[in-house]
Amino acid sequence: QKEVEQNSGPLSVPEGAIASLNCTYSDRGSQSFFWYRQYSGKSPELIMFIYSNGDKEDGRFTAQLNKASQYVSLLIRDSQPSDSATYLCAVKQGGSEKLVFGKGMKLTVNP
Amino acid sequence: GAVVSQHPSRVICKSGTSVKIECRSLDFQATTMFWYRQFPKQSLMLMATSNEGSKATYEQGVEKDKFLINHASLTLSTLTVTSAHPEDSSFYICSARGLTSLNEQFFGPGTRLTVL
Repeated sequence: QKEVEQNSGPLSVPEGAIASLNCTYSDRGSQSFFWYRQYSGKSPELIMFIYSNGDKEDGRFTAQLNKASQYVSLLIRDSQPSDSATYLCAVKQGGSEKLVFGKGMKLTVNP
Repeated sequence: GAVVSQHPSRVICKSGTSVKIECRSLDFQATTMFWYRQFPKQSLMLMATSNEGSKATYEQGVEKDKFLINHASLTLSTLTVTSAHPEDSSFYICSARGLTSLNEQFFGPGTRLTVL
């Protein structure tokens, strides 16, 4: 069974702090990695994706990928209360159209 | 950007009835659509993948005769929950992928189904 694991959380950080979200995956053939944000009662929205080892930055968000360790993370700098949501890690195996989602981690940013 | 709509957004039905959920890509042609189900406090679970004009591919454990999927055009896919029961109550979300977005899936807003 190909799995995507996320820390169970929840994670609570003060406003302005850095929030760090982690994800591991079991299939070494995985090639694409996605971070989604899901507000309560809403569908997921894509924050960013990463394919290559290293860091990818987009505004306050940085995705980090380490294929050797099968690990992908999301850093949120200068966290805002509006960042409070559940963050889902998703992995796409090579040659497959399917996304496998982690269980998600709930982040709360306290004003 | 790519927009995907779902209808209805919320439906309540009696046990034993059938419910149809529509998923539309509004500004692009969706060669592939995906149907997910999400139970409270759980992650998205893929139910099936459908390609326009062909039969859907169902994930293990998903009953194809209960969850009927039709992808008749490049902008519309439907999921019909037949003979719905309370355990089918869930949040159903579709996503769509177009020819020019091979790696990205665009999600619809979801449909909350409650079966009494």
